[in-house]
Amino acid sequence: GAVVSQHPSWVICKSGTSVKIECRSLDFQATTMFWYRQFPKQSLMLMATSNEGSKATYEQGVEKDKFLINHASLTLSTLTVTSAHPEDSSFYICSGDGGRGNEQFFGPGTRLTVL
Amino acid sequence: SQQGEEDPQALSIQEGENATMNCSYKTSINNLQWYRQNSGRGLVHLILIRSNEREKHSGRLRVTLDTSKKSSSLLITASRAADTASYFCATDPTGGFKTIFGAGTRLFVKA
Repeated sequence: GAVVSQHPSWVICKSGTSVKIECRSLDFQATTMFWYRQFPKQSLMLMATSNEGSKATYEQGVEKDKFLINHASLTLSTLTVTSAHPEDSSFYICSGDGGRGNEQFFGPGTRLTVL
Repeated sequence: SQQGEEDPQALSIQEGENATMNCSYKTSINNLQWYRQNSGRGLVHLILIRSNEREKHSGRLRVTLDTSKKSSSLLITASRAADTASYFCATDPTGGFKTIFGAGTRLFVKA
């Protein structure tokens, strides 16, 4: 149980385009979902926390107009990287809060490469 | 800023040996968790230890927590080549909501 999927698993796009990444909790309802970014050989950096039906809370230094987050249902959150640039190339990981003692369930990640 | 600091940053051992990774943090916590990440993949939850617990076991994993020193250790016994991965500690600070990840330890187990 507690499976989180992400789609796509990898994407290559041209600079200036927008990319949408989906995060789904497959067998549980995630009231809260988290979006992380991870650069090579580094740790996960929390970008934003999203609660179903409300606006996401962004971490300091993360541009909310560039990284649009929508948490439309208890099983789906999306991250849209708008006007992507090469420096946005990274590994993006989502997680869902299963409501069991703060344990988060992580998706497999999406590798974004912006040319 | 990241709360968890892990050492060593990288660890290379022979199969069959034990691997110990340490994590230190700065503020009071509700619990501490250890995760594993294979290269280019998502995180897998290994074990959660609460602030009122001192030691926890799960298979070949042993986690200790010393809240007075604000530190935790993860011991993997009888390591296997398949244990090669990055290991992260993550803390849930008291009064806070978000989980904070450490920098991670990259473990390489040689067959």
